Amino acid sequence: NAGVTQTPKFQVLKTGQSMTLQCAQDMNHEYMSWYRQDPGMGLRLIHYSVGAGITDQGEVPNGYNVSRSTTEDFPLRLLSAAPSQTSVYFCASSPTDSTGNTIYFGEGSWLTVV
Amino acid sequence: GQNIDQPTEMTATEGAIVQINCTYQTSGFNGLFWYQQHAGEAPTFLSYNVLDGLEEKGRFSSFLSRSKGYSYLLLKELQMKDSASYLCAVRDRSGGYNKLIFGAGTRLAVHP
Repeated sequence: NAGVTQTPKFQVLKTGQSMTLQCAQDMNHEYMSWYRQDPGMGLRLIHYSVGAGITDQGEVPNGYNVSRSTTEDFPLRLLSAAPSQTSVYFCASSPTDSTGNTIYFGEGSWLTVV
Repeated sequence: GQNIDQPTEMTATEGAIVQINCTYQTSGFNGLFWYQQHAGEAPTFLSYNVLDGLEEKGRFSSFLSRSKGYSYLLLKELQMKDSASYLCAVRDRSGGYNKLIFGAGTRLAVHP
């Protein structure tokens, strides 16, 4: 099983460039979310989705867009990259938003904005 | 809004017991999670509490008091491999849907 797959694993961007971090899961999970983790910090929720066509903002949504056109995919778009967006990004999925211990994380995407 | 507090760093000796505390404030509490995270890796699930009391799982136990907004993770018989960050996370339902909100994490260093 692939689980939660994030691409790319590493990316360097110039300030002002746009890019999309891809996240795909093959477990037919309804709930998917994106987090960022800065050095020495916990995870902060950017956006989440409770099903295809439904997304909502988390704690730090500014500068990011998401869409959920299929159950499997939940891409995160950086509209105009800024150095403050240098971080590690984690995608996560679970069967529903109420699931207890079955939350699956991707391996992370390391993004540097110069 | 939500607020989750846990100590930044802790040290302990191999074979000992350590307790990592977490306090939280949220208007829509719907469960508390503990995760372990090694450097450069994704978090891995350790425990889940939604009702008051102690949940035991091998060397790891987690306690929850909803009235006090308090949880702790207890690690027994510490091993060197337990050196990691431990993240407290609250599932919050204010706003309609559940969201998992993390604290900043506690870096635990286990020494011989």
